[in-house]
Amino acid sequence: SAVISQKPSRDICQRGTSLTIQCQVDSQVTMMFWYRQQPGQSLTLIATANQGSEATYESGFVIDKFPISRPNLTFSTLTVSNMSPEDSSIYLCSVRDLPGELFFGEGSRLTVL
Amino acid sequence: QKEVEQNSGPLSVPEGAIASLNCTYSDRGSQSFFWYRQYSGKSPELIMSIYSNGDKEDGRFTAQLNKASQYVSLLIRDSQPSDSATYLCARGAGTALIFGKGTTLSVSS
Repeated sequence: SAVISQKPSRDICQRGTSLTIQCQVDSQVTMMFWYRQQPGQSLTLIATANQGSEATYESGFVIDKFPISRPNLTFSTLTVSNMSPEDSSIYLCSVRDLPGELFFGEGSRLTVL
Repeated sequence: QKEVEQNSGPLSVPEGAIASLNCTYSDRGSQSFFWYRQYSGKSPELIMSIYSNGDKEDGRFTAQLNKASQYVSLLIRDSQPSDSATYLCARGAGTALIFGKGTTLSVSS
């Protein structure tokens, strides 16, 4: 499986600021996704990061709040904008080559004060 | 996102026993199913995938799929304390996966 690296691994941020999370994969992958895991909860899909075009967002998530870039087949960023304490979560980058399985990076643990 | 349902647990079993984890789903069109294990503070790691009705075995793990009943299960034989974790069931939904809330398994020595 691909090796997926995320940065930062954790951060503590102030309310109202923005943070960009980077995801680097060691091989070209067809699909990249961003998930959120709030404390004690399961994983919720935020969006599919599309190479060279706008991301596809799931219901409840909007581009202004979670802008995503994917300039090539190995790299993506997720920005959490204008953060509030409710954004405190683990954000996970994941990759999949159909019909294969989905693999996750180590996650970025975000705490908003 | 159509639901994937799991009992949150905790499910407690003694070491050496069989742990049975269950999952139901609502979308009859689902074709692929996955079990992930997540240790506290870690990201999920894939245990098994299953696409066809019946059983699929991999070492101590057996996944069972019944599409007619919309039911997926994971059996862990000879459970070890190191199996203590949260187990997430997921189904394929287009290109992504939809996850259940997970079942916490505790294996006591």
